[in-house]
Amino acid sequence: DQQVKQNSPSLSVQEGRISILNCDYTNSMFDYFLWYKKYPAEGPTFLISISSIKDKNEDGRFTVFLNKSAKHLSLHIVPSQPGDSAVYFCAASKSNSGYALNFGKGTSLLVTP
Amino acid sequence: NAGVTQTPKFQVLKTGQSMTLQCAQDMNHNSMYWYRQDPGMGLRLIYYSASEGTTDKGEVPNGYNVSRLNKREFSLRLESAAPSQTSVYFCASSVGVRGNQPQHFGDGTRLSIL
Repeated sequence: DQQVKQNSPSLSVQEGRISILNCDYTNSMFDYFLWYKKYPAEGPTFLISISSIKDKNEDGRFTVFLNKSAKHLSLHIVPSQPGDSAVYFCAASKSNSGYALNFGKGTSLLVTP
Repeated sequence: NAGVTQTPKFQVLKTGQSMTLQCAQDMNHNSMYWYRQDPGMGLRLIYYSASEGTTDKGEVPNGYNVSRLNKREFSLRLESAAPSQTSVYFCASSVGVRGNQPQHFGDGTRLSIL
């Protein structure tokens, strides 16, 4: 069973605007969440993470929001740039077993000039 | 600064052949992992090594074996390759196995089994 779901396979956004990528999870035991970015023919690159004790974490243009009651998190990219075009994976784990990362299927983001 | 290096980058095998995928990291990380990614899917954990000298099964270990050769190197072996093992294989490493210790990935090995 897919415990981490990214229901939008793709997203297209204009350069300069906000990109919002969504992720839902079903396991209430997850307490650590990560976003990875992946370019074609490369491995995933760690982008940003959030612990369940927080509801927001910011790093430059990237902000992750966590809504524990809804079991939902989102990644905001502001402003979006063409170089942000990639596949974004959401992942979740329990903090005491971080080896067991549960990945979503990914959302392909295209930022158009 | 190489990070996680995987070899080979591409490989084509015939059904029944054996193969070892190599992975090395230069970040002095304790923990290492092997994942597979199939089309339209997220990454799934095959095996992991929490520290040198230990290995454990992940979500999809059947048909694979691993060896943690030393702190730097973690190999994945297919003893008798099957078409269902056609996939992209990623190796990763992290400081440890806690959730707040992100995993860092190599660029993958694209394996096709005919």
